[in-house]
Amino acid sequence: AQSVTQLGSHVSVSEGALVLLRCNYSSSVPPYLFWYVQYPNQGLQLLLKYTTGATLVKGINGFEAEFKKSETSFHLTKPSAHMSDAAEYFCAVTPTGGGKLIFGQGTELSVKP
Amino acid sequence: DVKVTQSSRYLVKRTGEKVFLECVQDMDHENMFWYRQDPGLGLRLIYFSYDVKMKEKGDIPEGYSVSREKKERFSLILESASTNQTSMYLCASSLLDGRGGREQYFGPGTRLTVT
Repeated sequence: AQSVTQLGSHVSVSEGALVLLRCNYSSSVPPYLFWYVQYPNQGLQLLLKYTTGATLVKGINGFEAEFKKSETSFHLTKPSAHMSDAAEYFCAVTPTGGGKLIFGQGTELSVKP
Repeated sequence: DVKVTQSSRYLVKRTGEKVFLECVQDMDHENMFWYRQDPGLGLRLIYFSYDVKMKEKGDIPEGYSVSREKKERFSLILESASTNQTSMYLCASSLLDGRGGREQYFGPGTRLTVT
């Protein structure tokens, strides 16, 4: 069975600081991995995804994530936080063989001026 | 761009009422999904459908039913609304796995309050 753990339900950074949102997954088969962002009162928007190939994945709005199989991790980073990055972020996993998308519980990112 | 629309952004209903939440996608996706989102619980899958008239239970189907009469439309039905169904409801769609799809595209959500 697959599962996703997002470490930290709330993360606060200063504007211009590094953003690091942690995601660890459990999967018995190679996974597809995703990060979604949700702005207040909106649906989820895909930030980036890992399927196969290069383990460092670049997404929209300057975010990137690295798939580390040995650590079963897919942490999301952005070098310099912007006020507009304040939102909730969800990590999700699905096995390559097919199956449901399993979401983590979400991390709310706050950006201080 | 994929567009998923939901019939209402905000809805207030009374306990015992029958509630319909509608979702429409315009990208010819085979798969459609209904989730509910609650603080601290993330997204939980209620039902999904991979074809017209086909449906599969998700993790929390109790108290809900669904209908998919056309490929682009997926309805969630609360037969008799209860206060514990107050939540944000999110619809999503995706291509079939075999067509290279896996990422889901979400609608804006319907915030339902049952009083």
